[in-house]
Amino acid sequence: EDQVTQSPEALRLQEGESSSLNCSYTVSGLRGLFWYRQDPGKGPEFLFTLYSAGEEKEKERLKATLTKKESFLHITAPKPEDSATYLCAVQAMNYGQNFVFGPGTRLSVLP
Amino acid sequence: GAVVSQHPSWVICKSGTSVKIECRSLDFQATTMFWYRQFPKQSLMLMATSNEGSKATYEQGVEKDKFLINHASLTLSTLTVTSAHPEDSSFYICSARAGASYNEQFFGPGTRLTVL
Repeated sequence: EDQVTQSPEALRLQEGESSSLNCSYTVSGLRGLFWYRQDPGKGPEFLFTLYSAGEEKEKERLKATLTKKESFLHITAPKPEDSATYLCAVQAMNYGQNFVFGPGTRLSVLP
Repeated sequence: GAVVSQHPSWVICKSGTSVKIECRSLDFQATTMFWYRQFPKQSLMLMATSNEGSKATYEQGVEKDKFLINHASLTLSTLTVTSAHPEDSSFYICSARAGASYNEQFFGPGTRLTVL
């Protein structure tokens, strides 16, 4: 069965303490993997799209990487404003244009 | 670019009434729009997909007669929750896709529905 999981469920970091969030997927025919950031009470904000294993994308303190089974969102020297829920979504052949979302990782960065 | 708006941002209604939520793509034409529902501390659950000028495609378990979706133009989709009940209280979020060449979905800010 197609599945998207994320770990850890929640993560608390001190400001400046780098870490990585994981998104693992088991789908047939990956068409794309997407990372979003969601603040409480708001809609998800698009961060990155990854299409093939080995691909990397960077934006400010965030870097997303992709392998054949998982994606990592690396956060370098995070700041309190990076606190949010990070969602990954997968688009696969079986689902056409639809996304399958993971449960998310709630990140808290303490000053 | 790629801005999606929703209106209203929150609504409180009495049980049995209908509520309409609008989703607009402000700076691009959205060939496809998606409606999601999100419960507290849970991820997004796809309710339906709509293409401009076509009937919406509903996910399994979503009542199409209760959640009416209209995608009348390339910049506007509406979700009407008919005869709302307290269990329909949730956070409803729409997203839009610019076209077949674009895989990304851009999300609106969401609408908080509370049914008393």
